[in-house]
Amino acid sequence: GAVVSQHPSWVICKSGTSVKIECRSLDFQATTMFWYRQFPKQSLMLMATSNEGSKATYEQGVEKDKFLINHASLTLSTLTVTSAHPEDSSFYICSARWLVAGAFNEQFFGPGTRLTVL
Amino acid sequence: AQSVTQLGSHVSVSEGALVLLRCNYSSSVPPYLFWYVQYPNQGLQLLLKYTSAATLVKGINGFEAEFKKSETSFHLTKPSAHMSDAAEYFCAVSEAGGGADGLTFGKGTHLIIQP
Repeated sequence: GAVVSQHPSWVICKSGTSVKIECRSLDFQATTMFWYRQFPKQSLMLMATSNEGSKATYEQGVEKDKFLINHASLTLSTLTVTSAHPEDSSFYICSARWLVAGAFNEQFFGPGTRLTVL
Repeated sequence: AQSVTQLGSHVSVSEGALVLLRCNYSSSVPPYLFWYVQYPNQGLQLLLKYTSAATLVKGINGFEAEFKKSETSFHLTKPSAHMSDAAEYFCAVSEAGGGADGLTFGKGTHLIIQP
């Protein structure tokens, strides 16, 4: 159980275009989804926290107008990279959890999406 | 604010030798601590977690870690390395109780297994 998928697994796009990445919780309802970014040979950096039905909370330094996050249902969150540039090329990983008050709420990670902007 | 420091960006051990990956954390409240493994071009797999229960935590693939509050450490060990253990390992901390916040990750340690 607790499987998270991402689509696509990799994408190549031209500079200036927009790219949408989907994150789905396949067998549970995710009250919260997180989006991370990982540069080559570096650690994961939290970009934003997304609660179902609410606006995402972005970490300091992350441009919310560039990285649009939508969490319209309990099983789907999307990250849209708008007007992508080569410096946006990275590995994007989502995670999802369901909230149970008073209990530990583990995050389950997706397999990641490799974005390459030419 | 919370932070994680992983000592050694690369660790090389011989097959069959002890694996020790170091992690120190900083947190203003009792932390939840995690070790994840990442294989090339893949997502993260949880190895083990500490959530304020037993201080010695056993995980998958023969790994274990011990939470030492006095040393603010959560080092990962495995008695005997296997070639399949070669991967990137990340230590992470969650400050809010119940894992309510996003995780703060260390920079990672690349584990190399020598035949």
